[in-house]
Amino acid sequence: DIQVTQSPSSLSASVGDRVTITCRASQSIGAFLNWYQQEPGKTPKLLIYAASTLQSGVPSRFSGSGSGTDFTLTISSLQPEDYATYYCQQSYSTPWTFGQGTKVEIK
Amino acid sequence: QVQLVQSGAEVKKPGSSVKVSCKASGGIFNKYAFNWVRQAPGQGLEWMGRSIPIFGTAHYVQKFQGRVTIIADESTTTVYMELSNLTFEDTAVYYCAAAYSGSLDYWGQGTLVTVSS
Repeated sequence: DIQVTQSPSSLSASVGDRVTITCRASQSIGAFLNWYQQEPGKTPKLLIYAASTLQSGVPSRFSGSGSGTDFTLTISSLQPEDYATYYCQQSYSTPWTFGQGTKVEIK
Repeated sequence: QVQLVQSGAEVKKPGSSVKVSCKASGGIFNKYAFNWVRQAPGQGLEWMGRSIPIFGTAHYVQKFQGRVTIIADESTTTVYMELSNLTFEDTAVYYCAAAYSGSLDYWGQGTLVTVSS
């Protein structure tokens, strides 16, 4: 199975800060990497698919990059509504696997 | 746009089974693979397996092999996930999610399954 490791596990940042979350796969997965946002008590929501494509309706302050084994989710200017846990997920091969999550808190 | 509506919360005894349904509407059923993801209290997301209705196939994580069955009923556009031989560690919110290709594009609202004696 492909392991996916996210870092950091949590972070605290101020409104307007640039935030970066990384995801590393245990083997090369091309661009088969997706990012999800889960607000407290809510259902996960797809943010970015195929490493860098923004899902329709997602604000442009979110962006994704990377290929192979190393990937990044960036929030260019953190907003109060971005308080959530973010997960990466590989879809290169089954079983699909998720990172352990990064909890973003607003300072 | 696909809407997924799941069945309600369940409380089950250890050793019993649970069957959760997921009704799909608003899209072409056979375009999607229907996945099940669970989330234990305070924990992360765990992919359990999927059904691909157009191929009539299902794939399961080895961890759940033999205990989980995912069935898609095209006639009612409903997907079912049955998990047997429940233990306390199966207490979780279970989500169905539709994937057009490699991402989980649409999610149901989640179904809380509590295993309690």
